[in-house]
Amino acid sequence: DAKTTQPTSMDCAEGRAANLPCNHSTISGNEYVYWYRQIHSQGPQYIIHGLKNNETNEMASLIITEDRKSSTLILPHATLRDTAVYYCIVRDGSPSGTYKYIFGTGTRLKVLA
Amino acid sequence: DAGVIQSPRHEVTEMGQEVTLRCKPISGHNSLFWYRQTMMRGLELLIYFNNNVPIDDSGMPEDRFSAKMPNASFSTLKIQPSEPRDSAVYFCASMGGGSYNSPLHFGNGTRLTVT
Repeated sequence: DAKTTQPTSMDCAEGRAANLPCNHSTISGNEYVYWYRQIHSQGPQYIIHGLKNNETNEMASLIITEDRKSSTLILPHATLRDTAVYYCIVRDGSPSGTYKYIFGTGTRLKVLA
Repeated sequence: DAGVIQSPRHEVTEMGQEVTLRCKPISGHNSLFWYRQTMMRGLELLIYFNNNVPIDDSGMPEDRFSAKMPNASFSTLKIQPSEPRDSAVYFCASMGGGSYNSPLHFGNGTRLTVT
């Protein structure tokens, strides 16, 4: 079973920041938060991941709350090409952790012109 | 970096036929995963390998499904005999061995249609 809860869908105006929330209230100390997205008919694309600190890369920023029970993926200037399903996944990234990535149903983000 | 390469991109076959899907992981990656995606069930993990050894095949739906990884650069997923309910997009993904928290990298999938 997926360990995360995400809204089913969201809309965002083109050029504005898209903030996608994820709840992972049962996260354990060794579990990382990963974000992927899937554009129609393509394979899921890795975006970003983090353990407890906020992370930023060329695609997005990941904000993790201090208690680590929730996080937000931020696309700073959404474009039409960011329209996709976004998946938030938690996974134990320690040497003794499972290699399983369990995908939930994700958030369907629609960027509007 | 060529990414994860899957073949064929599309496969149409008749019920009862054998189907073989192929995957070449990213060079240097030592973990390989097979997923299946349908509208009804979303993305399901079928099996994963670590250092060419199957670690967890609990997601393989039936004995009709089998997967092999004869070497670090090649894996197959075979369905024999195929059934219409096997119609789905099958994704292969690989993960690097440099860090236990490395992300998965997916191929573009094989769309299987069984008539």
